[in-house]
Amino acid sequence: ETGVTQTPRHLVMGMTNKKSLKCEQHLGHNAMYWYKQSAKKPLELMFVYSLEERVENNSVPSRFSPECPNSSHLFLHLHTLQPEDSALYLCASSQGSGGPDHYEQYFGPGTRLTVT
Amino acid sequence: ILNVEQSPQSLHVQEGDSTNFTCSFPSSNFYALHWYRWETAKSPEALFVMTLNGDEKKKGRISATLNTKEGYSYLYIKGSQPEDSATYLCAFIRDGGSQGNLIFGKGTKLSVKP
Repeated sequence: ETGVTQTPRHLVMGMTNKKSLKCEQHLGHNAMYWYKQSAKKPLELMFVYSLEERVENNSVPSRFSPECPNSSHLFLHLHTLQPEDSALYLCASSQGSGGPDHYEQYFGPGTRLTVT
Repeated sequence: ILNVEQSPQSLHVQEGDSTNFTCSFPSSNFYALHWYRWETAKSPEALFVMTLNGDEKKKGRISATLNTKEGYSYLYIKGSQPEDSATYLCAFIRDGGSQGNLIFGKGTKLSVKP
């Protein structure tokens, strides 16, 4: 257990559905992240939140909408997704700013998303 | 575009063999280099955070070195065991950018046969 939980673990959705992924960290960290892992591609950073403010948005399409209501919770709202969005979505947290060690990522188990 | 390259893509070794693999990253604007181990059906876990040129870090049978001037890091596993089977990822953080922005390589998948 890394102290980062994600729900659901598996999700199948149609292109017209709206769903949300949830992440929770129990580590007292200040920063939270969403990553996408597609087949044969490296882990791609999608969003970074530090102290509940979005500090990074790596050109992610607007059909992905993050929300960080507090430093322990992170959501990824999904709507009108495409089949190519099928992937493993990983959440992570880190201590935040304060030196290189503070960016060490603690990952959740991921949500395997299939868009039909 | 910042590229982080890892080689080889996959590696099959016998139990007891020692092995190593490479992570290449941009040699300019270096801030930090992370190594992670990702076992099947589990979450990636951090192995090392490396920051200084010439750094060498060790955790049990696994060690890593860092050369920031030429832009590479090596990960070594001495006396591989089946439980070392995993994908090993490196991630580069650039100085001057958002320091939470980790750029990952595709990983090296290691399989250790008993």
